[in-house]
Amino acid sequence: QKEVEQNSGPLSVPEGAIASLNCTYSDRVSQSFFWYRQYSGKSPELIMSIYSNGDKEDGRFTAQLNKASQYVSLLIRDSQPSDSATYLCAVSGTSYDKVIFGPGTSLSVIP
Amino acid sequence: DAGVIQSPRHEVTEMGQEVTLRCKPISGHDYLFWYRQTMMRGLELLIYFNNNVPIDDSGMPEDRFSAKMPNASFSTLKIQPSEPRDSAVYFCASSLRWQGDEQYFGPGTRLTVT
Repeated sequence: QKEVEQNSGPLSVPEGAIASLNCTYSDRVSQSFFWYRQYSGKSPELIMSIYSNGDKEDGRFTAQLNKASQYVSLLIRDSQPSDSATYLCAVSGTSYDKVIFGPGTSLSVIP
Repeated sequence: DAGVIQSPRHEVTEMGQEVTLRCKPISGHDYLFWYRQTMMRGLELLIYFNNNVPIDDSGMPEDRFSAKMPNASFSTLKIQPSEPRDSAVYFCASSLRWQGDEQYFGPGTRLTVT
């Protein structure tokens, strides 16, 4: 059974701080990694994709991937109250594999 | 593009009634997914299609659930008969190239079965 695990939170950070969201996965051959943001009452929205080891930056967001440790993280710099949401980590293996979603981490940015 | 379109946005029905949820994927996307989300179980994949053909329905909870995709721009998820435990938010998503690709979600249908 392929699994994707995340701390459920809630994770609370003050406005302007760095929020760090973590995700581990069980399938060693996983190749594609995604972060989705879901506001309360809304649908998941893709914010980052990462496929290679290392860091990928997009604005205030940085995704970090370490395949050897089976670990992917999302850093949000200069956190804003508007970043308060649940963040879903998703992982897939080869092009024939489904995407497996983690349970999500609830983030609260305190003004 | 308008994105993934779902209807209705909200559905309230009585136990035993038939419920039909509808989805229009993003034009050109070859894959369509139906998910169910609850607080207890999170986001669950029910079924997905590739080029209108059902590929994996192992997540469909029981025979009361069925899904069809008669053409590239339309899919339905039907529950007959509905039960209170079916109350959830149902999302449709589509992806361009393969089942492990980036997925784009519709706004969802909030179903309440009383």
